[in-house]
Amino acid sequence: GESVGLHLPTLSVQEGDNSIINCAYSNSASDYFIWYKQESGKGPQFIIDIRSNMDKRQGQRVTVLLNKTVKHLSLQIAATQPGDSAVYFCAERYSGNTPLVFGKGTRLSVIA
Amino acid sequence: NAGVMQNPRHLVRRRGQEARLRCSPMKGHSHVYWYRQLPEEGLKFMVYLQKENIIDESGMPKERFSAEFPKEGPSILRIQQVVRGDSAAYFCASSPGQSNSPLHFGNGTRLTVT
Repeated sequence: GESVGLHLPTLSVQEGDNSIINCAYSNSASDYFIWYKQESGKGPQFIIDIRSNMDKRQGQRVTVLLNKTVKHLSLQIAATQPGDSAVYFCAERYSGNTPLVFGKGTRLSVIA
Repeated sequence: NAGVMQNPRHLVRRRGQEARLRCSPMKGHSHVYWYRQLPEEGLKFMVYLQKENIIDESGMPKERFSAEFPKEGPSILRIQQVVRGDSAAYFCASSPGQSNSPLHFGNGTRLTVT
């Protein structure tokens, strides 16, 4: 079965609010995690990544948090905009150059 | 500064025909990955290649599917004798090969088998 899963399949947020998308992973040996955004008809677009030796990483309007104790990953989007509407996937890598393992995704809908 | 290029974007094949999907990685990237995505689902790993070598094909069906990444030219995912269940979006990604570097994806080929 999947080793990466998401708590919420859909998420609706008001424009301007913060969004939090959660992801659970089961492989405690995973050392690298990535969040991707996928818009309709397009390929996944890299958002932010984090290594297992970190617990937080910030980008522009996005923050990824890693809690290795409970094997949980989250993506926080500040001041959500309509352009943020998409499906968001977390992915993990077990080690080195092994392929990324993707979760099923969360659809984020931003209400104007 | 072109990203990962996939063609064709859309491909329609009748059952029993062959499908050839092409992927040109980003400049400087020597590692290519193929993933398959069904509607409303995540991406499923199929195969990982470096130039002229298949590194990991654990996600690829043993029959009808093959992949190559020749010394010159794009990577090719080939599906022989397609069936309706092969209908999906096929995404290619590339990376420079260093550990903990993200994969960069193309916009996919949408295969429809009629």
